[in-house]
Amino acid sequence: GDSVTQMEGPVTLSEEAFLTINCTYTATGYPSLFWYVQYPGEGLQLLLKATKADDKGSNKGFEATYRKETTSFHLEKGSVQVSDSAVYFCALTRLANNDMRFGAGTRLTVKP
Amino acid sequence: GAGVSQSPSNKVTEKGKDVELRCDPISGHTALYWYRQSLGQGLEFLIYFQGNSAPDKSGLPSDRFSAERTGGSVSTLTIQRTQQEDSAVYLCASSSSSGSTYNEQFFGPGTRLTVL
Repeated sequence: GDSVTQMEGPVTLSEEAFLTINCTYTATGYPSLFWYVQYPGEGLQLLLKATKADDKGSNKGFEATYRKETTSFHLEKGSVQVSDSAVYFCALTRLANNDMRFGAGTRLTVKP
Repeated sequence: GAGVSQSPSNKVTEKGKDVELRCDPISGHTALYWYRQSLGQGLEFLIYFQGNSAPDKSGLPSDRFSAERTGGSVSTLTIQRTQQEDSAVYLCASSSSSGSTYNEQFFGPGTRLTVL
């Protein structure tokens, strides 16, 4: 079945470091891909998305490119801030129902 | 406008009791989803509603779990004879429609269920 595998955490970085969180997927057809973020004490929020191959989603300095050839959607940010500390979830939609399949989540802690 | 709301925000119950969790989606959203977020296990899809019907119940973990949606709006997730492994955060999401194109899902704050 459709599934998402993402890099295990936790990840601890210093402020202004480069961030990569790996995400790969298994799916039939052409799913849409997402990164959601959950800040401490808050609900899930959509961070960025890409709906077809080679699309690049971007928001708040984060980017991810939908790579069909490697079935990947890695999240990157050039310079992280303390305020980026959160749990990040990679996800895909199943086109039949539009329900989402999530990765296990990666906890990021950015230290000043 | 208001986002997705869920109640209660926290629920502590004793093993064997029944619980009801409520989700109030964004007005006008026809699609509604329930997910479960267990510690260390990420998010797990439970059930999906399109209007009042549930075409996909495949994620419900056992027959102790059921859900309904009335009037195309509010949904209730019921867990009967709760077990300790049911302890988790239960998330609800809604979107404007479902089908071949993606419509963003908006998540509620969740209900944290603790079964003692």
